[in-house]
Amino acid sequence: EDQVTQSPEALRLQEGESSSLNCSYTVSGLRGLFWYRQDPGKGPEFLFTLYSAGEEKEKERLKATLTKKESFLHITAPKPEDSATYLCAVQATGGSYIPTFGRGTSLIVHP
Amino acid sequence: KAGVTQTPRYLIKTRGQQVTLSCSPISGHRSVSWYQQTPGQGLQFLFEYFSETQRNKGNFPGRFSGRQFSNSRSEMNVSTLELGDSALYLCASSESTSQYFGPGTRLLVL
Repeated sequence: EDQVTQSPEALRLQEGESSSLNCSYTVSGLRGLFWYRQDPGKGPEFLFTLYSAGEEKEKERLKATLTKKESFLHITAPKPEDSATYLCAVQATGGSYIPTFGRGTSLIVHP
Repeated sequence: KAGVTQTPRYLIKTRGQQVTLSCSPISGHRSVSWYQQTPGQGLQFLFEYFSETQRNKGNFPGRFSGRQFSNSRSEMNVSTLELGDSALYLCASSESTSQYFGPGTRLLVL
């Protein structure tokens, strides 16, 4: 069974204080790993897709990296508007395209 | 391209009633998936439709059903509502591997 564990559950940062969110996964074969940002009461917003170990993608202050067992979402010099819940999901090879989601990391950035 | 749209955005129903939610995917996307999101359970997969056929189904009771039309628009229906059905219902459309979510429908069952 595919599993996704995100840590920490909650993270409080000061503006400008860089940090990383972790997504550990267990899957028979990885088709893709996805990162989403979700604001309260809204649908998840797609951020990145990573396909293979060693791959990295960047968008503004966010950088996602992937190894064979986990992914990190690095946030550099965060701003209060980066406050949100960040969700990770994995999609396995073979079978359905339905991703398995983690429970998310709630990030609060204080000014 | 316009994003995924969902209607209505908010609903209040009472126990025992039924509800129908609608989702219009991104133009050209043929796959539509539905999810239930609650604080306690997180994002849970309901079902996926592709070209008007249910391709995958999650572990939800038969009270939850859906369908997809020839224009890829999708509806989900929940019959005999229970208090525990209160949640944010999310629709996601995809063309290949990446899913794009709509804003969701917030359902409150009283």
